[in-house]
Amino acid sequence: DIQMAQSPSSLSASVGDRVTITCRASQSISFYLNWYQQKPGRAPEVLIYGASNLQTGVPSRFSGSGSGTEFTLTITNVHPEDFATYYCLQTYETPRTFGQGTRVDIK
Amino acid sequence: EVQLVESGGGLVKPGGSLRLSCAASGFPFADTWMTWVRQAPGKGLEWVGRIETKADGEKTDYAAPVKGRFTLSRDDSTNTLFLQLRSLKTEDTGVYYCTTDFYDYGDYIDSWGQGTLVTVSS
Repeated sequence: DIQMAQSPSSLSASVGDRVTITCRASQSISFYLNWYQQKPGRAPEVLIYGASNLQTGVPSRFSGSGSGTEFTLTITNVHPEDFATYYCLQTYETPRTFGQGTRVDIK
Repeated sequence: EVQLVESGGGLVKPGGSLRLSCAASGFPFADTWMTWVRQAPGKGLEWVGRIETKADGEKTDYAAPVKGRFTLSRDDSTNTLFLQLRSLKTEDTGVYYCTTDFYDYGDYIDSWGQGTLVTVSS
């Protein structure tokens, strides 16, 4: 199975900051990676699919990059509603696997 | 609009069984691969399993922790996805989400239900 190592596990940020979250795959997954945001008590919502494609309706301050084994989610100019937990998911093969999650909270 | 509504969760004793359902609407269910994801309390997301379409042979894949205990099935006549849980363990406790993702005329659709809570406890 493909392992996804996500870092950091948590971070503190201020409104307006730039935040970067990384996922590393245990083998190449090409561009088959999604990023999700989850708020307490809610189902996850996709932000980025195919490593760098912004999902319809998602603000442009979210961006994704990377291919192969290294991927990054960047939030530029963090807004108050962005404080949440973020997960990567490899969709290259089954079983699909998630990263461990990154909790972004207010500094 | 894609809609997924799970039901069937509840409290069950270790070793017991439960069947979860997911009612789907707003998309061609019979042509869509469907997935279950779970989340233990306070923990991360865990992919559980996927079922392909009848046209693709209704092939199923499962995560290692549930293989041999959980069974995915579908009823295309009622647009319903099922997850049969057997030999339940306390570590199976969590919220179970029905999900799907597909491309619709170039748009990427990734949809989740609201989840149903399964609690395994004596």
